[in-house]
Amino acid sequence: EAQVTQNPRYLITVTGKKLTVTCSQNMNHEYMSWYRQDPGLGLRQIYYSMNVEVTDKGDVPEGYKVSRKEKRNFPLILESPSPNQTSLYFCASSSGGLGNEQFFGPGTRLTVL
Amino acid sequence: SQQGEEDPQALSIQEGENATMNCSYKTSINNLQWYRQNSGRGLVHLILIRSNEREKHSGRLRVTLDTSKKSSSLLITASRAADTASYFCATAFGGYQKVTFGIGTKLQVIP
Repeated sequence: EAQVTQNPRYLITVTGKKLTVTCSQNMNHEYMSWYRQDPGLGLRQIYYSMNVEVTDKGDVPEGYKVSRKEKRNFPLILESPSPNQTSLYFCASSSGGLGNEQFFGPGTRLTVL
Repeated sequence: SQQGEEDPQALSIQEGENATMNCSYKTSINNLQWYRQNSGRGLVHLILIRSNEREKHSGRLRVTLDTSKKSSSLLITASRAADTASYFCATAFGGYQKVTFGIGTKLQVIP
């Protein structure tokens, strides 16, 4: 089954404790992206990747890092989480560009205390 | 950055009625897409309309695009309770590398 998986689905952590949210897709898509969703603000793009070892900042990259060492994986790293990073995070993948149909993961609800 | 704006932000209708949602954007686009999100879950792609298209259909969905007014509408005909969800428009620009999402329309279909 074609899918995007994220782990963990729920995470409660404390300020400053490094964490990684994993994302994996099995569709051989070149493009992958991370979004955060906050009430009243919709989805905002954090980082995106056009292929292995090629990443770029989205609209809200501060406080986040990403890497793309393999085509299928695109982890999101919060090296020193802060309470304003409490949000619902989505990973997505697509073929032929981010402007094409994107397949979304189930989301990771992160709370930073 | 460019962002689509959906209107209305919330809509409540009876089952069987039609639901219309609108999206406005600010600059030229390559295409516009509509996505659905069921309560806190991942978004699901519904339909994509290119900048040189004016109307597109998919099942009970009808999407129109007016590039002169920089707006799009999503019509869901004969709505069902299962259509209850949030609907987002997403605009793609800049050679398909950039896409921005609106804040969504929350649709409630009452059985």
